Amino acid sequence: SQQGEEDPQALSIQEGENATMNCSYKTSINNLQWYRQNSGRGLVHLILIRSNEREKHSGRLRVTLDTSKKSSSLLITASRAADTASYFCAIFQGAQKLVFGQGTRLTINP
Amino acid sequence: DGGITQSPKYLFRKEGQNVTLSCEQNLNHDAMYWYRQDPGQGLRLIYYSQIVNDFQKGDIAEGYSVSREKKESFPLTVTSAQKNPTAFYLCASSRTGNEQFFGPGTRLTVL
Repeated sequence: SQQGEEDPQALSIQEGENATMNCSYKTSINNLQWYRQNSGRGLVHLILIRSNEREKHSGRLRVTLDTSKKSSSLLITASRAADTASYFCAIFQGAQKLVFGQGTRLTINP
Repeated sequence: DGGITQSPKYLFRKEGQNVTLSCEQNLNHDAMYWYRQDPGQGLRLIYYSQIVNDFQKGDIAEGYSVSREKKESFPLTVTSAQKNPTAFYLCASSRTGNEQFFGPGTRLTVL
């Protein structure tokens, strides 16, 4: 399969803690993207990291990319109840389409 | 107000019927996409279009059809040949190779 594989499938933490989600893939990529989906809604783009980048930040989000290991991680710091959602990585391989993983369901407990 | 819209939000289909899901964008994006999402699963690509009057099959195109007569519009028809159409359908648009912007989705249920 060319899709990204997220790990863990589900994650439950206390508000204020950090959440880390991982994505592994099998082929070379042009870029890797992370998206969030609230229940029953469309996806919202979070961060795009290109294959020649190693780390990117956006507010409380930090994404790393290790092309030698074919893996990426998404770190959410100081989690909030509003961060409860499903998070997907998506791989852009140059075939003009994104390939999505199965997602990580994140639950932030108050 | 720029964005991507989908209609209807909920759609019910009787077996044997064709139904069409609407997707419109005013972001001036060349590329548009249709995805299917089943409960607890990721997104699977149905069809995509990089330019007007051209489109390509995705991973699960059987039982679906699309058209791209205008840059702003990319309707999806779920035909009677799709044996298990109950799902959440998401439309997206992008400048090719960049982030995708998603609509709010259409939830299709077969009665």
